[in-house]
Amino acid sequence: AQSVTQLDSHVSVSEGTPVLLRCNYSSSYSPSLFWYVQHPNKGLQLLLKYTSAATLVKGINGFEAEFKKSETSFHLTKPSAHMSDAAEYFCVVSEPTGANNLFFGTGTRLTVIP
Amino acid sequence: NAGVTQTPKFQVLKTGQSMTLQCAQDMNHNSMYWYRQDPGMGLRLIYYSASEGTTDKGEVPNGYNVSRLNKREFSLRLESAAPSQTSVYFCASSVVQGAGFGELFFGEGSRLTVL
Repeated sequence: AQSVTQLDSHVSVSEGTPVLLRCNYSSSYSPSLFWYVQHPNKGLQLLLKYTSAATLVKGINGFEAEFKKSETSFHLTKPSAHMSDAAEYFCVVSEPTGANNLFFGTGTRLTVIP
Repeated sequence: NAGVTQTPKFQVLKTGQSMTLQCAQDMNHNSMYWYRQDPGMGLRLIYYSASEGTTDKGEVPNGYNVSRLNKREFSLRLESAAPSQTSVYFCASSVVQGAGFGELFFGEGSRLTVL
């Protein structure tokens, strides 16, 4: 069975410090993995995706994530937080079986303290 | 650069009223989706349309109907609204039939309150 667990519902960091948002997954297949970002009162926007190429994936706005199969993890990181990073982040797992195959985590709200 | 456009952005209904949420995309995408977002629950798929002329149930279809009017438009109808349908609704589209192989493009959401 497939599932996505975002280990923290809320993360708070100071501006200029590193960001770590944690995601673990389970899947019966070799999944594709995504991180989406949602700014207040907006729709979701793709941040980055892993589709079985390089395990370290770089996304927009300085974010990156590393696929670790042995740990079934896909954690999102950024070296230095900016105020504009304050948003909700969703980890998503996908399996290559049909259209109804995207599974969303419950989200992590990132707060950036000035 | 419209992308995915949803209307209305806000709506308040009374229990038992009906309404339709409209969604249109201008990216020539094949697949379209309706999700609902509730606090602490992520996004849950209501219905999807893998291609023009087809629709299928997602995880939480009860109380909803959909119509894929043409390649651009995918509407969601609440026939008899209930307070449990108070939520934020998102329409999304993707290029290919299997959403897992590509990016989803989302509208800005429709905030529905049922009293």
